[in-house]
Amino acid sequence: SQQGEEDPQALSIQEGENATMNCSYKTSINNLQWYRQNSGRGLVHLILIRSNEREKHSGRLRVTLDTSKKSSSLLITASRAADTASYFCATDDTGANSKLTFGKGITLSVRP
Amino acid sequence: GAGVSQTPSNKVTEKGKYVELRCDPISGHTALYWYRQSLGQGPEFLIYFQGTGAADDSGLPNDRFFAVRPEGSVSTLKIQRTERGDSAVYLCASSLGSSWAQYFGPGTRLLVL
Repeated sequence: SQQGEEDPQALSIQEGENATMNCSYKTSINNLQWYRQNSGRGLVHLILIRSNEREKHSGRLRVTLDTSKKSSSLLITASRAADTASYFCATDDTGANSKLTFGKGITLSVRP
Repeated sequence: GAGVSQTPSNKVTEKGKYVELRCDPISGHTALYWYRQSLGQGPEFLIYFQGTGAADDSGLPNDRFFAVRPEGSVSTLKIQRTERGDSAVYLCASSLGSSWAQYFGPGTRLLVL
């Protein structure tokens, strides 16, 4: 079953602009992980944020987590054409044996 | 260091045949996961190993699917009597342990004709 629901489903921006992607979920979580996927193959791990954390940064990426609203956002600053990919949030739900539950993903297109 | 590797990259088989998909996790990772991804969807959990034992196999769709990890490292996902609906990308991931970051391999694209 799909837990994380990403929003929007598709996003098209100009190179240099910022991209914000949102994820909502329904249950209690241990952590939330964001992934990037190119061409429907392997997923690249971007960031893990634990339930007791509110914000994390990695390079041009910023992730926030609001457990009271059961939502997370991924911000990519100064986007590049190479950022074009599908992005997924995945939740590690409490009591779920650390298996990840994914949303359907967001398709990001960055125009050169 | 080396990431998660999966073989084969692609597998084409006929309905009714048996297939094995292999996953080689990151060295030192005790947790190993199998997921399946259909076109336009996010990955769906199949099975989770902690060491040699299957800690959670609740995602396996039916008894045609089976997975092993006999020495706590390499894992094999086995599908008997394949059906066209089994066609998907099968992804393997490993992590240092429960609730750590999961790192995925490139996947095996299975096509059942």
